[in-house]
Amino acid sequence: GESVGLHLPTLSVQEGDNSIINCAYSNSASDYFIWYKQESGKGPQFIIDIRSNMDKRQGQRVTVLLNKTVKHLSLQIAATQPGDSAVYFCAENIGGGFKTIFGAGTRLFVKA
Amino acid sequence: DAGVIQSPRHEVTEMGQEVTLRCKPISGHDYLFWYRQTMMRGLELLIYFNNNVPIDDSGMPEDRFSAKMPNASFSTLKIQPSEPRDSAVYFCASSDRMLNTEAFFGQGTRLTVV
Repeated sequence: GESVGLHLPTLSVQEGDNSIINCAYSNSASDYFIWYKQESGKGPQFIIDIRSNMDKRQGQRVTVLLNKTVKHLSLQIAATQPGDSAVYFCAENIGGGFKTIFGAGTRLFVKA
Repeated sequence: DAGVIQSPRHEVTEMGQEVTLRCKPISGHDYLFWYRQTMMRGLELLIYFNNNVPIDDSGMPEDRFSAKMPNASFSTLKIQPSEPRDSAVYFCASSDRMLNTEAFFGQGTRLTVV
């Protein structure tokens, strides 16, 4: 089915520590994956993306890992800051990249 | 660019009334998406357009929901008649397929149907 990350865990980390947010997807045909960050009262904001022909992609303080064998995505945030507190969604693009399906999200709390 | 602009930001209406949500996509973007977000169901794709043409409306929950895109700079999502279970935050997003496939979201419209 078209489901991505149906669980909604909460992750609490200390400021300065690294965070790892995990996501499972179910559609083997998906070829493009995106991580979004949503702060309270705002719309989702793009963080980083990865195509299915890649295993890893790095951005500024963030890294996305893709394991197609077990259909698993992870988002790593280095040196987590209070401003990183938000809900993080993984999403997959189905059908050529235009229909984006979002997972349930993970809430990240950063303790100062 | 000011980003994707949605109006109103908040809407409170009585059950049975018609509700119209509005969206102005980012100039030059040829894809427009309408999403609904609730605690129970998360973010759900309702419908998306390409070059003002509806491509996939399989996410529209019922015939009470309709969406239009009369031109490249404006789209509406209408609910008629509205019901309390329609209460949610509705997001509009746009993207430019030629540059990338990330979607840029508006601030959303929080709809409350009482």
